[in-house]
Amino acid sequence: DADVTQTPRNRITKTGKRIMLECSQTKGHDRMYWYRQDPGLGLRLIYYSFDVKDINKGEISDGYSVSRQAQAKFSLSLESAIPNQTALYFCASRGGNYGYTFGSGTRLTVV
Amino acid sequence: RKEVEQDPGPFNVPEGATVAFNCTYSNSASQSFFWYRQDCRKEPKLLMSVYSSGNEDGRFTAQLNRASQYISLLIRDSKLSDSATYLCVVTSGGATNKLIFGTGTLLAVQP
Repeated sequence: DADVTQTPRNRITKTGKRIMLECSQTKGHDRMYWYRQDPGLGLRLIYYSFDVKDINKGEISDGYSVSRQAQAKFSLSLESAIPNQTALYFCASRGGNYGYTFGSGTRLTVV
Repeated sequence: RKEVEQDPGPFNVPEGATVAFNCTYSNSASQSFFWYRQDCRKEPKLLMSVYSSGNEDGRFTAQLNRASQYISLLIRDSKLSDSATYLCVVTSGGATNKLIFGTGTLLAVQP
């Protein structure tokens, strides 16, 4: 099993719909992150969490919300999806001062 | 100015060539530095950390110049399997110490 698992892997949704992307990790890390990746823009941070009671906005949090249901689970919601939220979304976890472990990504298309 | 700047490439090199990527960062508070590798439509994976004294891992050598805020990655004896996007990553410093990603440099190794 992967250390960081994202579901779904691919999703097409309509404008205005609410959608949730799920992430779970088995590494026992406290820190979890959601990024989106767009061509030419690199990875941009949406939200991050240092523990279950600690949620922080990243650089592009507008239009998104998150929930840290447990240490191992961190979900990202788009309350009302819009086409410019079409992107590749990555969840990651981090322990200590080491690099991040990323999930395989969710390719989201909003039509 | 972007916090982490990289030449997007592409770098097209023949097998066996030596290729070097450079990266500059703007935040003097950054404390940790990494190179990640990302294959097309896949998640980023940690290639190596970068230390002030320079470090080597097989065919890969990373260098850090804190005074110039400059990071490099050297790949010797390029293989076809080295074809990927290489992401320069630095930490933001401060209490949150988040990862800041460059947009990546595309390497294509030709047979």
